[in-house]
Amino acid sequence: DIQMTQSPSSLSASVGDRVTITCRASQGIRNDLGWYQQKPGKAPKRLIYAASSLQSGVPSRFSGSGSGTEFTLTISSLQPEDFATYYCLQHNSYPPTFGQGTRLEIK
Amino acid sequence: QVQLVQSGAEVKKPGASVKVSCKASGYTFTSYGISWVRQAPGQGLEWMGWISAYNGNTNYAQKLQGRVTMTTDTSTSTAYMELRSLRSDDTAVYYCARDSYLEPFPYWGQGTLVTVSS
Repeated sequence: DIQMTQSPSSLSASVGDRVTITCRASQGIRNDLGWYQQKPGKAPKRLIYAASSLQSGVPSRFSGSGSGTEFTLTISSLQPEDFATYYCLQHNSYPPTFGQGTRLEIK
Repeated sequence: QVQLVQSGAEVKKPGASVKVSCKASGYTFTSYGISWVRQAPGQGLEWMGWISAYNGNTNYAQKLQGRVTMTTDTSTSTAYMELRSLRSDDTAVYYCARDSYLEPFPYWGQGTLVTVSS
């Protein structure tokens, strides 16, 4: 199975900050990666697909980059509604595997 | 719009079985697959398996082989996930998600809490 190592596991930041979350794959996955936001008691919501494509309706302050084994999710200017847990997901090969999550908290 | 609506919360005893449903609307059901993902309390996301709504082909996570069965009913656009021989560590929220090779996991159901307790 492909292991997805996500960092950091938690992050404290303030409204207006720029934050970056990283996912590293244990082997190359091309750009077969998505980023998801999950709020307490809710289902995950896809933000980014194909590593860098913004899901329709998602604010442009979210962006993704990377290919192969290193990927990043950047939020350019944190808004109050962005405090949540973020997961990466690789779907290059079975089984699909998630990163362990990054909990983004208000400083 | 695409919607996946899951069945309600369940409480089961160890050793029992549970069957969760996921009713799809807003798209052609047989054009996509359905994956099931679970999340134990306070934990991350775990993929359980996938079923093609076109032909019923399945692919299950190795750790659940023999205990999980995924099916679909194309007449009602509903997918089902049955998990048998339940244990306490099966307590989790179970999600369905539309899934295809070109468009993985864009839409999710609201989740179904399954509690396994004696």
